[in-house]
Amino acid sequence: GENVEQHPSTLSVQEGDSAVIKCTYSDSASNYFPWYKQELGKRPQLIIDIRSNVGEKKDQRIAVTLNKTAKHFSLHITETQPEDSAVYFCAAYSGGGADGLTFGKGTHLIIQP
Amino acid sequence: DTAVSQTPKYLVTQMGNDKSIKCEQNLGHDTMYWYKQDSKKFLKIMFSYNNKELIINETVPNRFSPKSPDKAHLNLHINSLELGDSAVYFCASSRRGAQMNTEAFFGQGTRLTVV
Repeated sequence: GENVEQHPSTLSVQEGDSAVIKCTYSDSASNYFPWYKQELGKRPQLIIDIRSNVGEKKDQRIAVTLNKTAKHFSLHITETQPEDSAVYFCAAYSGGGADGLTFGKGTHLIIQP
Repeated sequence: DTAVSQTPKYLVTQMGNDKSIKCEQNLGHDTMYWYKQDSKKFLKIMFSYNNKELIINETVPNRFSPKSPDKAHLNLHINSLELGDSAVYFCASSRRGAQMNTEAFFGQGTRLTVV
């Protein structure tokens, strides 16, 4: 089945700086890669996603890049703000095995004022 | 108007008991899921279900069983609860295309504590 590795597990950046979170996946059949943000005690919520036929997608301060050959994808947050502090999860969907999304282990992003 | 709702939000119970968590979605999605989030925040798929098939993660004990009375509901039944079952359980739903998935919406979670 699919295996998703996510790094780093914790990331601390100064407010206004950029943050980058990286993920790799194992199943070359995976075709959908969402990123979820989870605030303390809340549900995971989608912030951006990318499909395998696209290399990059941007939504205001958030961007995601996908390298299918290397099987890795990254989340980029620019001009970070205190409300960006949360746990971020990458995920991959291949439709095989247990179906559903396979998640990375999460990155705790801390924005220092 | 909540898209995916699950009840209860908190559940404290003794070892050996049987309990259920209910989930409902009003998005018209065809596929529903249960995920388990452990104390280290790791999210893991337990079940995937639509009106045609149930896919079970092979690591899930058979004490856990999903029950779907209709397309909008997927309840989770847990028998003979163990201490290690303590976690937050999330229900989710999405619309599955022929080859690609779409955004999964999550419920607010149920924090299960087994004592």
